[in-house]
Amino acid sequence: QKEVEQDPGPLSVPEGAIVSLNCTYSNSAFQYFMWYRQYSRKGPELLMYTYSSGNKEDGRFTAQVDKSSKYISLFIRDSQPSDSATYLCASPMGARQLTFGSGTQLTVLP
Amino acid sequence: EAQVTQNPRYLITVTGKKLTVTCSQNMNHEYMSWYRQDPGLGLRQIYYSMNVEVTDKGDVPEGYKVSRKEKRNFPLILESPSPNQTSLYFCASSFTSGQGSNSPLHFGNGTRLTVT
Repeated sequence: QKEVEQDPGPLSVPEGAIVSLNCTYSNSAFQYFMWYRQYSRKGPELLMYTYSSGNKEDGRFTAQVDKSSKYISLFIRDSQPSDSATYLCASPMGARQLTFGSGTQLTVLP
Repeated sequence: EAQVTQNPRYLITVTGKKLTVTCSQNMNHEYMSWYRQDPGLGLRQIYYSMNVEVTDKGDVPEGYKVSRKEKRNFPLILESPSPNQTSLYFCASSFTSGQGSNSPLHFGNGTRLTVT
């Protein structure tokens, strides 16, 4: 079992929709959680990070962590075509830096 | 501009022909790492380096070598490439690493390698 599991999608939504992207993790030692966004033909870039449980909001994006159920979510409000990308959840593990989910491919249709 | 630069972006080679993918960062980062990205498997770590002359295996190190002789450079070497190493490769760097660290990883734009 992978330590971070993510539904690969693809997910297709109309412009303006609320998008929910989700991950589950199995390692209780994970403390930080991150969301990376990867556009086609580009490397991933950090979108948001959050520590422990609760919500963190940044503009149209909200990251949510539920440690009791080991569930990580990213919500995108008023989604735009420019949000079309692959979204990867991740968490630091030991000295290796990050363990990644497999990514969810999102397309926002105009 | 702060960046991680990988070269080449695309590479097609034949089985057994040694190749090197270069990686350079201009942010004075201590930590550097190589990942491969495959459909359905996501990003898997090949090797990482905590600092100059300090390297260690990641999750999928077989068939790869690395070196860290200078802080800014972290080349990935395939001594005898095989078709199962056909993949998209990413180099990444950050100030620090480790559990509890929120130092973000900065990625290059990838090298698409095809081994026939």
